[in-house]
Amino acid sequence: KAGVTQTPRYLIKTRGQQVTLSCSPISGHRSVSWYQQTPGQGLQFLFEYFSETQRNKGNFPGRFSGRQFSNSRSEMNVSTLELGDSALYLCASSEQRRGLETQYFGPGTRLLVL
Amino acid sequence: DQQVKQNSPSLSVQEGRISILNCDYTNSMFDYFLWYKKYPAEGPTFLISISSIKDKNEDGRFTVFLNKSAKHLSLHIVPSQPGDSAVYFCAAKDAGNMLTFGGGTRLMVKP
Repeated sequence: KAGVTQTPRYLIKTRGQQVTLSCSPISGHRSVSWYQQTPGQGLQFLFEYFSETQRNKGNFPGRFSGRQFSNSRSEMNVSTLELGDSALYLCASSEQRRGLETQYFGPGTRLLVL
Repeated sequence: DQQVKQNSPSLSVQEGRISILNCDYTNSMFDYFLWYKKYPAEGPTFLISISSIKDKNEDGRFTVFLNKSAKHLSLHIVPSQPGDSAVYFCAAKDAGNMLTFGGGTRLMVKP
């Protein structure tokens, strides 16, 4: 099976702009989670989508939003970009079977806000 | 308040020796623990996991130990290889599907 894919891999934006990142999960995986990685804060959970519904949300402002499509692909959007939004944005997918399961990560999108 | 902590930011080990990476957690609701390996500018790669009903899980050179009473887990890599050099993250889950990560430990394996 192909792994989790994310596009674009690199992105440069300026303050005040908005950005949309895309994630395609592993085939058959229905849960998609997003994480932000920064040098100062480490890996932090943004939100999780399952069956087109946001099921869980981390402690991020409303400028960060997402959605999931019927084919399980997901997008996240950041509006009114700030310098501090520069980070590696990671998407992870899992099958969401009952019991314990593992999340598999994509390569990430590196966002630089100038 | 960090619920998952990796107190050693870096670790240097000689090739062929054992690498031991440690992780502590505070949330007693965590019931599933994972270790990921990460190279710069790449996503984390899953290594090994353990559920709270076990105290050990082994996969090749990698073994994870869980001490629930101490809220502590560790990853042992034996023997260590130069290709193991990376940042290692421990992560924990409760009944939901959200991973809480530690801050990572940079492992350097010297030839």
